[in-house]
Amino acid sequence: GAVVSQHPSWVICKSGTSVKIECRSLDFQATTMFWYRQFPKQSLMLMATSNEGSKATYEQGVEKDKFLINHASLTLSTLTVTSAHPEDSSFYICSATPSSAATDTQYFGPGTRLTVL
Amino acid sequence: GEDVEQSLFLSVREGDSSVINCTYTDSSSTYLYWYKQEPGAGLQLLTYIFSNMDMKQDQRLTVLLNKKDKHLSLRIADTQTGDSAIYFCAESSPSNTGKLIFGQGTTLQVKP
Repeated sequence: GAVVSQHPSWVICKSGTSVKIECRSLDFQATTMFWYRQFPKQSLMLMATSNEGSKATYEQGVEKDKFLINHASLTLSTLTVTSAHPEDSSFYICSATPSSAATDTQYFGPGTRLTVL
Repeated sequence: GEDVEQSLFLSVREGDSSVINCTYTDSSSTYLYWYKQEPGAGLQLLTYIFSNMDMKQDQRLTVLLNKKDKHLSLRIADTQTGDSAIYFCAESSPSNTGKLIFGQGTTLQVKP
């Protein structure tokens, strides 16, 4: 149980284009999902908290107009990197907390490797 | 502020025990977690411990919590080459937002 999927697993795009990454909780409902970015050999950097039915909460320094988050259902959150540039190349990981959970346990997706040329 | 610290690297021989250490600053954290990340993959939840517990054991994994010293450890018994990965400890944020505060991660290298 508690499986989270991400799609795509990797994507290569040209500079200036937009890329959408999907995060799905497969066997549970998640009111809250999280989006992280990870640079090589570094820890996770929380970008934003995605809340079903409301606006995402962005961490300081993360541009909300560049990283659009939509959490339209209890099993799906999307992250759209708009007008991507090479510096946006990174490993993006989402996580989800079951709505029924008594803890803050987050279950992670497998990640999406974004390369912007 | 909230901060979680880990040593960056640990090397052990196959069959030995591994002990990965973590210190945290916020004593009001309710839960503390250990995650494992293999290359190119997401994070896999290994185990978690409630802050009013001292120890939790799950097969080869033993978690020890010293709340007074704000010290958390993960012991892996009979370490195997498949245990080679990055291990992250995390504490639940006291702000009740559901966020987790992660350490930098400890790279465990298991030599045959």
